[in-house]
Amino acid sequence: AQSVTQPDIHITVSEGASLELRCNYSYGATPYLFWYVQSPGQGLQLLLKYFSGDTLVQGIKGFEAEFKRSQSSFNLRKPSVHWSDAAEYFCAVAPGSNYQLIWGAGTKLIIKP
Amino acid sequence: KAGVTQTPRYLIKTRGQQVTLSCSPISGHRSVSWYQQTPGQGLQFLFEYFSETQRNKGNFPGRFSGRQFSNSRSEMNVSTLELGDSALYLCASSKGHNYEQYFGPGTRLTVT
Repeated sequence: AQSVTQPDIHITVSEGASLELRCNYSYGATPYLFWYVQSPGQGLQLLLKYFSGDTLVQGIKGFEAEFKRSQSSFNLRKPSVHWSDAAEYFCAVAPGSNYQLIWGAGTKLIIKP
Repeated sequence: KAGVTQTPRYLIKTRGQQVTLSCSPISGHRSVSWYQQTPGQGLQFLFEYFSETQRNKGNFPGRFSGRQFSNSRSEMNVSTLELGDSALYLCASSKGHNYEQYFGPGTRLTVT
């Protein structure tokens, strides 16, 4: 069965430090890939997406993600985090255009001052 | 462009009651998906509607139902509420199937 794994439940990063959140999926072909962010008490906001083409995609709020087919990964990165980045981050995968999104369990990002 | 709106934002119900939640998608979006989010189970897909037809359904009991109107607005209904139905219910709209989804702020349902 298709699945999405976010291996880190929590990550703590100092403000100004770099960030990488991991996402791995199990699916044979190249799926559609998404990262969403959820601030406390809010709905989810799309950060970035990958459908095809350049494997390094830029998103909003200074985030980027790299699709690595050989590793079935779509890791989210940011060179310097800000306190306002504290939130929960979800990776989601769509196996194709006629399938529902499959969601990871989320990674809660904590920012140390 | 207005975002996805959900009403009500907060709701307290008693076990055994039923509840109806409403979602208005972004103008021009024809797909509406519903999710249940709880600390223990994370985000779980309930169902998706496209052009008034249920296109996909998650693994939830029949007490959970939904519908979509001709203007793409959607409602979900939960009958015979159980304590375990306490959750944040999120609605998301998109232009078509599996284009990026835009989420509303959610309805926080508490069942006592």
